[in-house]
Amino acid sequence: IAGITQAPTSQILAAGRRMTLRCTQDMRHNAMYWYRQDLGLGLRLIHYSNTAGTTGKGEVPDGYSVSRANTDDFPLTLASAVPSQTSVYFCASSDSLGDEQFFGPGTRLTVL
Amino acid sequence: GIQVEQSPPDLILQEGANSTLRCNFSDSVNNLQWFHQNPWGQLINLFYIPSGTKQNGRLSATTVATERYSLLYISSSQTTDSGVYFCAVERWGAQKLVFGQGTRLTINP
Repeated sequence: IAGITQAPTSQILAAGRRMTLRCTQDMRHNAMYWYRQDLGLGLRLIHYSNTAGTTGKGEVPDGYSVSRANTDDFPLTLASAVPSQTSVYFCASSDSLGDEQFFGPGTRLTVL
Repeated sequence: GIQVEQSPPDLILQEGANSTLRCNFSDSVNNLQWFHQNPWGQLINLFYIPSGTKQNGRLSATTVATERYSLLYISSSQTTDSGVYFCAVERWGAQKLVFGQGTRLTINP
């Protein structure tokens, strides 16, 4: 693989269900990010990680959790999905915080 | 928080035309990036440009940090330039990018 991969590509989920969006990068970047993109609201940061073992809250963290067990993976978990979490989710990475960011292809999530 | 305003919101041009996209921001920044989101949704980093001028082929960007704006120039537009262009900035110490609403560019053949 080259760059950032995300899985699944799309998902339809019943409200109340738990869901984990996966993100893997092979660039050995230290920093990783999760954004959501909504029509009319642009991209907003959910959570970020400066390096393996550390995470931080972004602009819209409520209802989401992340972990960073290693450099390559940065999963995003919705513990109990709600319809307002319907969105396109993008994972990104950079060499370190503040550097040029590279984005994955996105996951389209629909919560019914 | 920092405000990021992009203009124009929409731009429709014929192939071969030149265009200038603007990004204004409300506070001092240490990080500014331009992205292109193509019609398939893929986000591509165009420039990392907290200050100064950079060029990459038909695209160039200038950031005047002291006046809190950045410009993206596209020359000799091609249909593949269509999509949404986002400016994103990071305020000093904020450790997060804040995105503008984007400029939707449509290049007609």
